Amino acid sequence: GQSLEQPSEVTAVEGAIVQINCTYQTSGFYGLSWYQQHDGGAPTFLSYNALDGLEETGRFSSFLSRSDSYGYLLLQELQMKDSASYFCAANSGYSTLTFGKGTMLLVSP
Amino acid sequence: NAGVTQTPKFQVLKTGQSMTLQCAQDMNHEYMSWYRQDPGMGLRLIHYSVGAGITDQGEVPNGYNVSRSTTEDFPLRLLLAAPSQTSVYFCASSYSSGDTGELFFGEGSRLTVL
Repeated sequence: GQSLEQPSEVTAVEGAIVQINCTYQTSGFYGLSWYQQHDGGAPTFLSYNALDGLEETGRFSSFLSRSDSYGYLLLQELQMKDSASYFCAANSGYSTLTFGKGTMLLVSP
Repeated sequence: NAGVTQTPKFQVLKTGQSMTLQCAQDMNHEYMSWYRQDPGMGLRLIHYSVGAGITDQGEVPNGYNVSRSTTEDFPLRLLLAAPSQTSVYFCASSYSSGDTGELFFGEGSRLTVL
């Protein structure tokens, strides 16, 4: 089986930096994706790490360590609109993803 | 520029009824998949397809059926609806080359089974 663990909730203030961690136990692991989902909406893709290291996309960065079965999403210069749920997801090939249960990020003024 | 289109957006069924959730994409993606999302849970894979005529089971396939007769369409059939199938269903598609872990999701279909 496959499982991913991430914190259920994280709070931060505008302008701050927050890190959402994800540990995984999977078979046939191809890489780790991150998705954002606003309440009632569709998940939207943020980033993907197939190799170890850091990927940067604007205010968002994602990191992967295959040896530690660990990754994180780093959000910088937080804005109110970043309040959402964030999911890590392990790619098992053919873009079939196993998702964590999600981390709700609450950004306050 | 439609992307992934799901219909209906909302549906109420009675236990034992059957229905089909429609999914269409206009991006010429080979890979398509169906996920369900329950409160406090991540998305769970129901079925997926790597191309027309090819489908396979995901993590929670029981009670659902799929087919892929064209690249564009990937309908999900609920055979005998049960209250446990009350959920939000998301269809997704992705490029086949590179396997980038990037899925394009539809807006979801919210199903209630009474």
